[in-house]
Amino acid sequence: KAGVTQTPRYLIKTRGQQVTLSCSPISGHRSVSWYQQTPGQGLQFLFEYFSETQRNKGNFPGRFSGRQFSNSRSEMNVSTLELGDSALYLCASMWGRPTSDTQYFGPGTRLTVL
Amino acid sequence: SQKIEQNSEALNIQEGKTATLTCNYTNYSPAYLQWYRQDPGRGPVFLLLIRENEKEKRKERLKVTFDTTLKQSLFHITASQPADSATYLCALDMMNRDDKIIFGKGTRLHILP
Repeated sequence: KAGVTQTPRYLIKTRGQQVTLSCSPISGHRSVSWYQQTPGQGLQFLFEYFSETQRNKGNFPGRFSGRQFSNSRSEMNVSTLELGDSALYLCASMWGRPTSDTQYFGPGTRLTVL
Repeated sequence: SQKIEQNSEALNIQEGKTATLTCNYTNYSPAYLQWYRQDPGRGPVFLLLIRENEKEKRKERLKVTFDTTLKQSLFHITASQPADSATYLCALDMMNRDDKIIFGKGTRLHILP
């Protein structure tokens, strides 16, 4: 079974631009979560989508948004990029609630903002 | 808000010895606690999950304990090998509270040959 895929793997943008990252979950998984990982803050939860609905949201500004499509693929968008948005963005998929479950992570998208 | 503390310093362990990593949390006990391994440039990989009513879980050379009184989980790797060198993350699944999964910053483990 194919794992979680993320595209692109690397991205360089300049301040003020916007970016869209894509995540394809494992087939059959309906939940997709997004995380931002930086050396100083570690892995921080951005949001979770389940069956095209945002189920939960972390403490990030409104510049960070996401959506999920009917095939469970998900995208996240960051508008008006800031230098501090440079990070590894990870998505993780799982079957979904109500029980706790293994999260399967993708390889991440390394975003650099100049 | 819930906070998680993992050894911020890197841990150096001699090959063959047992490595023990600590995860402490404040406030509420999670419904589940998970441990992940992350190698440089890659996403975390799930290792073990333990429920709040379980004291211990084992998988091959790995053992996790969960003490809700101490608000602590310990992660042990026995007979450690250089290939075990990685960053290990603990994650609290707060589905019994606000339904979020919160990660610690991780502990870098180096197994010295």
